[in-house]
Amino acid sequence: GQNIDQPTEMTATEGAIVQINCTYQTSGFNGLFWYQQHAGEAPTFLSYNVLDGLEEKGRFSSFLSRSKGYSYLLLKELQMKDSASYLCAVRAFTGGGNKLTFGTGTQLKVEL
Amino acid sequence: GAVVSQHPSWVICKSGTSVKIECRSLDFQATTMFWYRQFPKQSLMLMATSNEGSKATYEQGVEKDKFLINHASLTLSTLTVTSAHPEDSSFYICSARTGEGRNYGYTFGSGTRLTVV
Repeated sequence: GQNIDQPTEMTATEGAIVQINCTYQTSGFNGLFWYQQHAGEAPTFLSYNVLDGLEEKGRFSSFLSRSKGYSYLLLKELQMKDSASYLCAVRAFTGGGNKLTFGTGTQLKVEL
Repeated sequence: GAVVSQHPSWVICKSGTSVKIECRSLDFQATTMFWYRQFPKQSLMLMATSNEGSKATYEQGVEKDKFLINHASLTLSTLTVTSAHPEDSSFYICSARTGEGRNYGYTFGSGTRLTVV
């Protein structure tokens, strides 16, 4: 099976930078996704990494190290609307095909 | 971009009744859809993978006779919760596989809040 760990909660200040870490253990790794989810809503896609390195998309960046089973999501110039849960999800190839497994999510609170 | 419409957004039903949730791909054909369940303050748990024209593949611990999945067309998958009980109250979310090649992605529906009383 898969084991995905991320911090439960984080608090940061508006305008600051925050890094949300995700570690995973899996076989058949086939990509890592980051999603943002506001309470009571569906997840929205933020980023995708399948090769080692940094992917940058505006205020959001995501990094992956496959050898270390580690990823992080970096949020810059934090805004109040960034308060949400951030989900790390790992896709892995199993006998029956690819399967996407979610971590428990990191609840980010942005304060003034 | 790809849009997945999920309906209803919320539903309240009596214990023992059945509820159907629909998931439609609006501007693309979805050969594969996924159904998730999310309890408060927990992450999404995959319930089943739905493939158009064939039987769904259920995850371990998910009762296939209780959670009926139908994917009869390339744009519609349905989840029916049969004989619902209060413990089935949860947030149900569908997603569709989108994109081509190895690095395909997923588009999520807006979710259905089910409350069984």
